[in-house]
Amino acid sequence: DVKVTQSSRYLVKRTGEKVFLECVQDMDHENMFWYRQDPGLGLRLIYFSYDVKMKEKGDIPEGYSVSREKKERFSLILESASTNQTSMYLCASKGQNTGELFFGEGSRLTVL
Amino acid sequence: GENVEQHPSTLSVQEGDSAVIKCTYSDSASNYFPWYKQELGKRPQLIIDIRSNVGEKKDQRIAVTLNKTAKHFSLHITETQPEDSAVYFCAASGAGRRALTFGSGTRLQVQP
Repeated sequence: DVKVTQSSRYLVKRTGEKVFLECVQDMDHENMFWYRQDPGLGLRLIYFSYDVKMKEKGDIPEGYSVSREKKERFSLILESASTNQTSMYLCASKGQNTGELFFGEGSRLTVL
Repeated sequence: GENVEQHPSTLSVQEGDSAVIKCTYSDSASNYFPWYKQELGKRPQLIIDIRSNVGEKKDQRIAVTLNKTAKHFSLHITETQPEDSAVYFCAASGAGRRALTFGSGTRLQVQP
């Protein structure tokens, strides 16, 4: 079974703090994604990566950056957290020749 | 970019009834349309998908139909059961777009 593991299930941070969310997958997938989930808005794409050190902006990249130094790991960085970044963050991975996304369990971030 | 709209946002049915969730998409180049189910507190999981060369696909009690001309696709669940209660997301992707664009989600409640 594909396993996508997110490092933190729950985080509470203060405005202005730097936040790291980490995601690791064990299926040698080329593609990895960060989505943000908010009620009534569905899942919105923040960034994705299709190879090591490669990244592309999604629909809502402002205030976020990403890092992919190794194939199995994709990190989401909030340089200076703000209250409007309080949300559920979902990481996902996908193989090159399949359509199915495999999601992690999510990281619920609260910014005070 | 792609825009996916999903209706209704909430749906309540009696056990044994059918449920239909509808989505429209904007990019005529989209060619892959999956549906994800997210149970309370769990990660989204793929339940069925369809590609643009097919008009309908069935898997036991669930089916998806696609109308490329009208750019809409629908999820049909027959003989609903309480365990079908969840949030369902439609999504689309296609040529030139590696990532899925999700709809806003439908909360389905099956009343016993």
